[in-house]
Amino acid sequence: AQSVTQLDSQVPVFEEAPVELRCNYSSSVSVYLFWYVQYPNQGLQLLLKYLSGSTLVKGINGFEAEFNKSQTSFHLRKPSVHISDTAEYFCAVSEGDRDDKIIFGKGTRLHILP
Amino acid sequence: GAGVSQTPSNKVTEKGKYVELRCDPISGHTALYWYRQSLGQGPEFLIYFQGTGAADDSGLPNDRFFAVRPEGSVSTLKIQRTERGDSAVYLCASSWTGGRVYGYTFGSGTRLTVV
Repeated sequence: AQSVTQLDSQVPVFEEAPVELRCNYSSSVSVYLFWYVQYPNQGLQLLLKYLSGSTLVKGINGFEAEFNKSQTSFHLRKPSVHISDTAEYFCAVSEGDRDDKIIFGKGTRLHILP
Repeated sequence: GAGVSQTPSNKVTEKGKYVELRCDPISGHTALYWYRQSLGQGPEFLIYFQGTGAADDSGLPNDRFFAVRPEGSVSTLKIQRTERGDSAVYLCASSWTGGRVYGYTFGSGTRLTVV
């Protein structure tokens, strides 16, 4: 069965600095990969997704992620963060040949320091 | 409606009581998902409907949990004999068929507290 590991529960970073949030997945078949964001007191929103094709995926708010099949990773990056990026970020996976359910990681809380 | 609506937004109940949580998906969305999010954790899959039928209920923790979607639209998650460990935010999401391709739209959740 598929699973997702987000090793960092919290990541502090200074405003305007770059950030990388790590995500590794486990699956025996092809996968679809996602990053969702949950801003304080708001619902989950889709940030970006990898379905097929180019391994570099661009999402909203300047975020991007790279699918690395050999390392089973899908790390999220942003070159320069803002206070408004303060949120919880969830990596998620769905197996390509099965039903539509998406399995989420435990999340990484991004703290932006002034 | 414009988004996924979940009611109530908050529910406090006594241990042992029965509760129902409602999800009103986006009009036309055929797929509906229930997740549970405990404090400090990611959303945990419970059950997924395609139309009126449960396509995958492998995430329901035990037989105290049951969900229905009788007309392929509104869904109700039912929890019998609630326990303190059931306290969590229950999230509902909906999508077109093949939802992962389009992305799920999540509701704001129902915060369930069992005292």
